[in-house]
Amino acid sequence: DQQVKQNSPSLSVQEGRISILNCDYTNSMFDYFLWYKKYPAEGPTFLISISSIKDKNEDGRFTVFLNKSAKHLSLHIVPSQPGDSAVYFCAASVHSDDKIIFGKGTRLHILP
Amino acid sequence: GAGVSQSPSNKVTEKGKDVELRCDPISGHTALYWYRQSLGQGLEFLIYFQGNSAPDKSGLPSDRFSAERTGGSVSTLTIQRTQQEDSAVYLCASSLNRASGNTIYFGEGSWLTVV
Repeated sequence: DQQVKQNSPSLSVQEGRISILNCDYTNSMFDYFLWYKKYPAEGPTFLISISSIKDKNEDGRFTVFLNKSAKHLSLHIVPSQPGDSAVYFCAASVHSDDKIIFGKGTRLHILP
Repeated sequence: GAGVSQSPSNKVTEKGKDVELRCDPISGHTALYWYRQSLGQGLEFLIYFQGNSAPDKSGLPSDRFSAERTGGSVSTLTIQRTQQEDSAVYLCASSLNRASGNTIYFGEGSWLTVV
């Protein structure tokens, strides 16, 4: 049973437009959420995180939104750039447990 | 180096052989994770070490898989009697502690191919 779900395996977005990547989770005990970005043949790199006490966190072009009642979070990238083409993983943890569970990832293609 | 270091970066082994994968976490990081990513799949949690606590082994797929962390630093993931379905990239990650908000830092992975 997948506790963190990314239902879109891939997404294509025009350069300059907004990219929205979605993530759903089933474990209501999760209270910390992260997004990671992965290029081919490299390890994932941390992008942005959000604690359950907040509903939005912004860092430059990247904003993460958390809707606890819907158990849903999303990553917005605006404006999208060619270097944003990568696989994006959503992840979550129960703070007291620390183990981080990842989704299956969404491959983002930024089109010229 | 400053990052998580993994070795070997690539390993081709024959079915039935044992393999060992090594991870050097970032100095001072108390938490260490192993994940694997099979072709076309997401990041599958395998095992988690936190300080001196008993490791969380709930993600290990079979008893052919084991991991150790010696001296609270270096970790070795061992796969016995490898099977073709074990082919994947094995990723190690480490984090400082809970106060850092569980942000974990990954190595570049060990690519395992079982033939």
